[in-house]
Amino acid sequence: DAGVTQSPTHLIKTRGQQVTLRCSPKSGHDTVSWYQQALGQGPQFIFQYYEEEERQRGNFPDRFSGHQFPNYSSELNVNALLLGDSALYLCASSLVARSSYEQYFGPGTRLTVT
Amino acid sequence: AQSVTQPDIHITVSEGASLELRCNYSYGATPYLFWYVQSPGQGLQLLLKYFSGDTLVQGIKGFEAEFKRSQSSFNLRKPSVHWSDAAEYFCAVGAQGGYQKVTFGTGTKLQVIP
Repeated sequence: DAGVTQSPTHLIKTRGQQVTLRCSPKSGHDTVSWYQQALGQGPQFIFQYYEEEERQRGNFPDRFSGHQFPNYSSELNVNALLLGDSALYLCASSLVARSSYEQYFGPGTRLTVT
Repeated sequence: AQSVTQPDIHITVSEGASLELRCNYSYGATPYLFWYVQSPGQGLQLLLKYFSGDTLVQGIKGFEAEFKRSQSSFNLRKPSVHWSDAAEYFCAVGAQGGYQKVTFGTGTKLQVIP
């Protein structure tokens, strides 16, 4: 049973560029949440996707957008990258029908903006 | 709005000693509470969770936590720490009902000395 997978593992981009990060949820899960974890900080909730729609959003600008596909996998897109977007981006999957909040996290994508 | 405070940024304990990590939350109703552990360069692993019922919750790796509504606390404990417990620990709170937005604290880094 594969857990949550994320790609790529590491990424280096230049200010102003755009980036796409990918996440495949744990088998059987239908909900994907994205978090940004800056160095020395706790994860910050970006948004959550269920049934291919954004259901909740944290305090992130519109430069952050996402998508969920019919197979439940998800993408996080960040436009016009800023130095401050450098962080570990974590994807978590869960099953919304089980209101247990049991989120399984992937290993993350380390984004460096130069 | 929900929030979490972890007052201890860094804690050092001797191997074999007991451990208590503090967590205080803010939420208007009964929250869902979690403790996660993150090893360097890794994603987050769920240690334990509280939804309702018994206020003393047992988790993996010998950890337990106690929900104290009167103190808005959910402290993590372990009777005897092992060197492999060195990691960063995050307390988190989620709202009951609705979609699964989780708010994390800033984390406590645990160092274990021989």
